Amino acid sequence: QQQVKQSPQSLIVQKGGIPIINCAYENTAFDYFPWYQQFPGKGPALLIAIRPDVSEKKEGRFTISFNKSAKQFSLHIMDSQPGDSATYFCAPRSTLGRLYFGRGTQLTVWP
Amino acid sequence: GAGVSQSPRYKVAKRGQDVALRCDPISGHVSLFWYQQALGQGPEFLTYFQNEAQLDKSGLPSDRFFAERPEGSVSTLKIQRTQQEDSAVYLCASSLGRRPNTGELFFGEGSRLTVL
Repeated sequence: QQQVKQSPQSLIVQKGGIPIINCAYENTAFDYFPWYQQFPGKGPALLIAIRPDVSEKKEGRFTISFNKSAKQFSLHIMDSQPGDSATYFCAPRSTLGRLYFGRGTQLTVWP
Repeated sequence: GAGVSQSPRYKVAKRGQDVALRCDPISGHVSLFWYQQALGQGPEFLTYFQNEAQLDKSGLPSDRFFAERPEGSVSTLKIQRTQQEDSAVYLCASSLGRRPNTGELFFGEGSRLTVL
């Protein structure tokens, strides 16, 4: 986990706000950069992912911004909803298929 | 089944007991991973199978941890002589791809182990 640093640890926004979660990594052998969403008592579920040859990817209300030179990527959630309240993990993947999870960001969206 | 199924969902063990955790991956999925998630932390890699072959076990924390997938489908994670630091949620995940770094990974809901 030391290869991946995720911030902030927790985040509280009002409904409609745009929470931003950041992830910094050290290993240049990562080839795939996903974000996972986890609800209490459930396993992580893939939310959105990006490959290193692309700088931004948008799927619905979720956007990943990727900065290869800075070895950072971030998740933006547009028009956040109370149902988005969950823990979010960045988890870059090595070429051997292993995911390296960050410590997680607990997001709370108030109605 | 529709998703990755894990059992038991909850397990309480006394220190020193052996436990076995089962994972039923999505039918036809070649790759299978085990991860350990301590309270308030992100999951950490334990081991990887391609069909019945255990190709990477570098994440297993000690020789008390053992995993198998004898017929290339169901997998069992066994922990011998459990200790309190083994308390965690054990997550199983599977993907269709033959190569471990291809395809979406689907996680089960996990088995929560509490060692007293």
